[in-house]
Amino acid sequence: NAGVTQTPKFRILKIGQSMTLQCTQDMNHNYMYWYRQDPGMGLKLIYYSVGAGITDKGEVPNGYNVSRSTTEDFPLRLELAAPSQTSVYFCASSYRGTIHEQYFGPGTRLTVT
Amino acid sequence: GEDVEQSLFLSVREGDSSVINCTYTDSSSTYLYWYKQEPGAGLQLLTYIFSNMDMKQDQRLTVLLNKKDKHLSLRIADTQTGDSAIYFCAESGGQNFVFGPGTRLSVLP
Repeated sequence: NAGVTQTPKFRILKIGQSMTLQCTQDMNHNYMYWYRQDPGMGLKLIYYSVGAGITDKGEVPNGYNVSRSTTEDFPLRLELAAPSQTSVYFCASSYRGTIHEQYFGPGTRLTVT
Repeated sequence: GEDVEQSLFLSVREGDSSVINCTYTDSSSTYLYWYKQEPGAGLQLLTYIFSNMDMKQDQRLTVLLNKKDKHLSLRIADTQTGDSAIYFCAESGGQNFVFGPGTRLSVLP
């Protein structure tokens, strides 16, 4: 199993541009999550999904959108990038929705200038 | 809202014990966790403790929970250079997971 994979690893965006951060897991996990990690801060939950076709907002959803058309994929969309979205983004998945069973991807480092 | 706090830095000498502390505010927390993050990597779950326990030991790691004071600690015995990383405390009471800012542990030779 590859586990949780994220692409790209790094990206630089100009203000107002849009992009999609990809996340895929091959463990047949029902639950998937997107977090952002700002320098010197812990992780904050952006969106999560409890299964294909179901998504819900986390703590900091503004400026982001998600979709979950398949069990494997959970892309995160930024429509109008802002400097405040400069962060490292982590995708995670779990089978039963408990944090101690979450598997994390390696992260995407995004800079908006 | 819920909050988790940790000191940001800790330095210890190789072979000594490290103690990383964490405080949280949510009295309904069900689980409390310690994660390790090495440079350029995602989070690795080290250990977790259920809120009705007060201690958990796993090889070199000891977790102590004082539920009355809402204080959690992680002790690493015989700290090695490979233990240098950022350690995150986290709590969950449901679908909402709250992480602390992380403690950067530096292990000096």
